[in-house]
Amino acid sequence: LAKTTQPISMDSYEGQEVNITCSHNNIATNDYITWYQQFPSQGPRFIIQGYKTKVTNEVASLFIPADRKSSTLSLPRVSLSDTAVYYCLVGDNWGNKLVFGAGTILRVKS
Amino acid sequence: GAVVSQHPSWVICKSGTSVKIECRSLDFQATTMFWYRQFPKQSLMLMATSNEGSKATYEQGVEKDKFLINHASLTLSTLTVTSAHPEDSSFYICSASPGTTNTGELFFGEGSRLTVL
Repeated sequence: LAKTTQPISMDSYEGQEVNITCSHNNIATNDYITWYQQFPSQGPRFIIQGYKTKVTNEVASLFIPADRKSSTLSLPRVSLSDTAVYYCLVGDNWGNKLVFGAGTILRVKS
Repeated sequence: GAVVSQHPSWVICKSGTSVKIECRSLDFQATTMFWYRQFPKQSLMLMATSNEGSKATYEQGVEKDKFLINHASLTLSTLTVTSAHPEDSSFYICSASPGTTNTGELFFGEGSRLTVL
């Protein structure tokens, strides 16, 4: 299973765009890249998933370069409620045995 | 999206007792469910993969006799912590995927916080 590396923490202010980059050098051909958000004492929540290039949904964008060895989660105009831990995971398309890395603690300040 | 529910959301028990945690997929069938454990300020650690109608597959270092997993139906998996001790106190989270959306999205339960006194 591909291992991921993310920054331990990031600080931002309300209204700013936040970009969190994840490295996954050993990503396999069949692996997808998925990002989850977790608030304290809650289960993780799906944010976005992609395989290559760019994916955008109502809450975030995911940028994946051609070599797929990294990906960047972009959160537009964050608010205080976006303070959470963000996990980048790589795995097959059926969510099998997703292994969580350390995640990135995002702190949004007013 | 699909909903996964856990019960109880929190439980306190005495050392030596057993505790059962339920994980239900409310609006989809899940052949496979996953159980994670999360200690304070740490990431989720995969404990085992629960397969409907067969034995669970445990990750290395997880005692199968300590953490009994039963996946008797397509919508219910249970984790029983047997003879619980204070070091078993943790946040237990289950997840499941409908397996039909072709997105690999996992849906997680709300988590169950176990405190062993």
